[in-house]
Amino acid sequence: GAGVSQSPSNKVTEKGKDVELRCDPISGHTALYWYRQSLGQGLEFLIYFQGNSAPDKSGLPSDRFSAERTGGSVSTLTIQRTQQEDSAVYLCASSLRLAGEADTQYFGPGTRLTVL
Amino acid sequence: DQQVKQNSPSLSVQEGRISILNCDYTNSMFDYFLWYKKYPAEGPTFLISISSIKDKNEDGRFTVFLNKSAKHLSLHIVPSQPGDSAVYFCAARSSWGAAGNKLTFGGGTRVLVKP
Repeated sequence: GAGVSQSPSNKVTEKGKDVELRCDPISGHTALYWYRQSLGQGLEFLIYFQGNSAPDKSGLPSDRFSAERTGGSVSTLTIQRTQQEDSAVYLCASSLRLAGEADTQYFGPGTRLTVL
Repeated sequence: DQQVKQNSPSLSVQEGRISILNCDYTNSMFDYFLWYKKYPAEGPTFLISISSIKDKNEDGRFTVFLNKSAKHLSLHIVPSQPGDSAVYFCAARSSWGAAGNKLTFGGGTRVLVKP
């Protein structure tokens, strides 16, 4: 079956420009997560969506970062006025998030963002 | 403050031998642990997990051990194969409240299996 997909796979932008990154989760998965991996680092949580609940934005590093999830499926991560320190691989994951059960997140291939 | 640490950035092992990857955590609220494997230019792939009510979980060549009192877990790969060469991430989560929404990852260990 189809896994998590992300687009674009690579994005090069100039400092100060806005970028949008897209994530298509696994069909039927109610939970969607965004993480980023900076060079040589582990994955850092950014934001979490679950059904119609308010998203958990506790990991967003600044107000230049925002995300939305339309119709409980596709999600877009937007970075405004990009800075060089935003350069990283942005990873999306989804899960079934069943109550009372262990939750396994499945990751997409990521979008490599380079801010010049 | 790194709540999940993988102190060995790299590991080299001969094909057929055992690979042991270690992970330490500080947050006592973590109750579910996962290992992910990552190849270059791909997203992390789920490998194996363990709940805090267990001390061992086995899946084929992969076994994860959890020592709650030491806040330590390890992943054993036996026997190691060249296709196991990748970066391995340890991750942890808590079932409590909003903290259960996210995984906290270690920095990764790069494993090289030599033929």
